Amino acid sequence: NAGVTQTPKFRILKIGQSMTLQCTQDMNHNYMYWYRQDPGMGLKLIYYSVGAGITDKGEVPNGYNVSRSTTEDFPLRLELAAPSQTSVYFCASSYTTRTATSTDTQYFGPGTRLTVL
Amino acid sequence: GNSVTQMEGPVTLSEEAFLTINCTYTATGYPSLFWYVQYPGEGLQLLLKATKADDKGSNKGFEATYRKETTSFHLEKGSVQVSDSAVYFCALSDPTGNQFYFGTGTSLTVIP
Repeated sequence: NAGVTQTPKFRILKIGQSMTLQCTQDMNHNYMYWYRQDPGMGLKLIYYSVGAGITDKGEVPNGYNVSRSTTEDFPLRLELAAPSQTSVYFCASSYTTRTATSTDTQYFGPGTRLTVL
Repeated sequence: GNSVTQMEGPVTLSEEAFLTINCTYTATGYPSLFWYVQYPGEGLQLLLKATKADDKGSNKGFEATYRKETTSFHLEKGSVQVSDSAVYFCALSDPTGNQFYFGTGTSLTVIP
């Protein structure tokens, strides 16, 4: 059981290039999330998905796209990289049931460190 | 809206010292509250959680109590170890469970 895996670990992009950050989970979780973590800041939610074929925006979605064609995979796409997207990106997943209170634990991947020059 | 405010670091303590990291929140409805820990070079791991007022979450000697009246969820440990050196994040999830909100993190260094 590998949990949440992310590739690549590190990447340097030039301004205007595009790339896809990969995220896979093997826990059969229905919810998946993408966060970015800037130095000295907390995590900001970029996008999330409540199940295959369903995605929604978080706090900071501009400049990113996602898709969720399978339960396991939730790739994050940067179309035109900008220096403001230099950050550490974390993928997470959880098994969430729709109850009145949320008790669900998020499981995080090890992160992808992206630098845009 | 929803937000989390936690004390700024870095915090440096000697081994066996008492630890408190303050966390307060603003939320609509009744959120669940969490503490996550991030060791160097790793992703976040859940440390403890509480889902309703007056609940106490505990794990590995750490404790935090959900205080609705003061909208707080302070993290405490009676005797820290060098291995507790990490960054600690307070977080809340909105009642729908769809979105999590994290504090800025508090870096803790424990020296022998």
